[in-house]
Amino acid sequence: KNQVEQSPQSLIILEGKNCTLQCNYTVSPFSNLRWYKQDTGRGPVSLTIMTFSENTKSNGRYTATLDADTKQSSLHITASQLSDSASYICVVSGSGGGADGLTFGKGTHLIIQP
Amino acid sequence: NAGVTQTPKFQVLKTGQSMTLQCAQDMNHNSMYWYRQDPGMGLRLIYYSASEGTTDKGEVPNGYNVSRLNKREFSLRLESAAPSQTSVYFCASRVFRLAGKSSYNEQFFGPGTRLTVL
Repeated sequence: KNQVEQSPQSLIILEGKNCTLQCNYTVSPFSNLRWYKQDTGRGPVSLTIMTFSENTKSNGRYTATLDADTKQSSLHITASQLSDSASYICVVSGSGGGADGLTFGKGTHLIIQP
Repeated sequence: NAGVTQTPKFQVLKTGQSMTLQCAQDMNHNSMYWYRQDPGMGLRLIYYSASEGTTDKGEVPNGYNVSRLNKREFSLRLESAAPSQTSVYFCASRVFRLAGKSSYNEQFFGPGTRLTVL
């Protein structure tokens, strides 16, 4: 069964610190992996999309990495800001996913404290 | 360019009542989707429409119906609401993109409708 596992489930860090969120998946065959940011009370917004040929992609202070061999991805946030407080969702696309071709992780809830 | 819009933002229903959640997108995307998001669970697909005039069931379609009114609009209807349908509902649209030698579908989500069924 296709699965996307995210860790940690929740994380609290101080403003200005760095952090790394993890995503492991079993989706096969793999097409691409996306990281979304979801602010409280809002819909998910795309941060990065990586295809199988890419192993890193940046969007400002967000850097995603992908290791297609080990089926792992990480999202690194540099110099965190209060506005980074949100849930971060890993989504893997592949023909073995749901009817929409996507398998969603449950998300990591990140809290940035001043 | 408003992207994906949803109405209403909040709704409280009594068990057995019916209602329709509205979704519209102004990006000229062919594909549209309805998801529900529950605490501790990933987004789950309810129904989708690959193109105007077609609709298909997703992972959790029971208790819901959909209508793809035109290319812009995709509505979700609860005929007889149940407490188990208390959730946050997200509509999304999707576009196909080329990136060098690769291709992918990019998905855009609406702001969500928070529904409580008493």
